[in-house]
Amino acid sequence: KQEVTQIPAALSVPEGENLVLNCSFTDSAIYNLQWFRQDPGKGLTSLLLIQSSQREQTSGRLNASLDKSSGRSTLYIAASQPGDSATYLCAVRRDTGFQKLVFGTGTRLLVSP
Amino acid sequence: EPEVTQTPSHQVTQMGQEVILRCVPISNHLYFYWYRQILGQKVEFLVSFYNNEISEKSEIFDDQFSVERPDGSNFTLKIRSTKLEDSAMYFCARGGLTTGELFFGEGSRLTVL
Repeated sequence: KQEVTQIPAALSVPEGENLVLNCSFTDSAIYNLQWFRQDPGKGLTSLLLIQSSQREQTSGRLNASLDKSSGRSTLYIAASQPGDSATYLCAVRRDTGFQKLVFGTGTRLLVSP
Repeated sequence: EPEVTQTPSHQVTQMGQEVILRCVPISNHLYFYWYRQILGQKVEFLVSFYNNEISEKSEIFDDQFSVERPDGSNFTLKIRSTKLEDSAMYFCARGGLTTGELFFGEGSRLTVL
């Protein structure tokens, strides 16, 4: 059974810092990995999608890497801003097509001005 | 603009009552999903729906739950006889046509009293 863990559970940083969020998964046979942002009481916003054949994806100040063989992914946020404050979730998909996503518990990020 | 629109945004109901949550995709897609998130817990998969049929369901998705797409547009989740533990945020998602990326709605918060 796939288990997804995110460390740290919470992170508080001053504005401008670069930071790394970690995601690990127990079964390396994944199809893709997706990072989401969730604001309190809101839906999930897709940030980055990494296919199993890829090593990293970038979008603006965000960079996600994937090491499938070791079961790890990182989300790097450059020059953090207060608006980045949210919970960040990673989720893995086991197989192609319409198989389910398995989510981690998330990292709650607070960026203070 | 959200990829899918969910209604209602919040519903309060009495235990034992039936609830219908609705999801309307912006464009025509074949893959749909329902997930839920109990307060403070992980996002959990409920069911996937492909080409008007259930393709996969979790152990949570028991006989009190049903899904359908009655008019080819709206995608609904029905909970027949709600329990206190059904209180959660319910998310509808649609699948990307080629990448396997999932796009979530803003969620429907269900409170069972």
